[in-house]
Amino acid sequence: AQKVTQAQTEISVVEKEDVTLDCVYETRDTTYYLFWYKQPPSGELVFLIRRNSFDEQNEISGRYSWNFQKSTSSFNFTITASQVVDSAVYFCALSEAGRYSTLTFGKGTMLLVSP
Amino acid sequence: GAGVSQSPSNKVTEKGKDVELRCDPISGHTALYWYRQSLGQGLEFLIYFQGNSAPDKSGLPSDRFSAERTGGSVSTLTIQRTQQEDSAVYLCARSLLAGGTEAFFGQGTRLTVV
Repeated sequence: AQKVTQAQTEISVVEKEDVTLDCVYETRDTTYYLFWYKQPPSGELVFLIRRNSFDEQNEISGRYSWNFQKSTSSFNFTITASQVVDSAVYFCALSEAGRYSTLTFGKGTMLLVSP
Repeated sequence: GAGVSQSPSNKVTEKGKDVELRCDPISGHTALYWYRQSLGQGLEFLIYFQGNSAPDKSGLPSDRFSAERTGGSVSTLTIQRTQQEDSAVYLCARSLLAGGTEAFFGQGTRLTVV
């Protein structure tokens, strides 16, 4: 069975601070995919990134970066120089390979960025 | 949003009534998911459709919940004899393929059972 744990329920930072959101996953498959989604106050889930289990190269997109470490089963998300607009709930998710695989989400981390 | 249209956006119903929630994804996406998000909670998987295969219903919380997908496109989630604990936002998502591709979510239907 697959499982995603986001231990941080809520994080508060002041604008311009860097912040890291943790994600730990469990799966018995060797091929799997990891995702991050953002849910702003408007409520719509926005896809941010997808990584497969064979690609451990870290990725950077603007102020966002992701650190994937298979050795610790973690896929952490860092926002550099946070902004108020980054305030949202962030969800980490896992999907095993295979035609009938579903997306399993963590419980989310609420990020509050104050000016 | 994101190529998934859900209706209604809000629904208030009396306890014991049946409700139908609709999801209309853009064409060409064979996989369709329903999730439920209760206040302050994460996303709870309900059901998953993949092409013409039998759906994965393992997440449906009770036999009061059912879903169908007609013609590989529009899906309807039906909740019979609604209870107050059914109050939540019901989210539908589309995915191009199965297992491993990103899912794109609609804006959800907020269901309130009074």
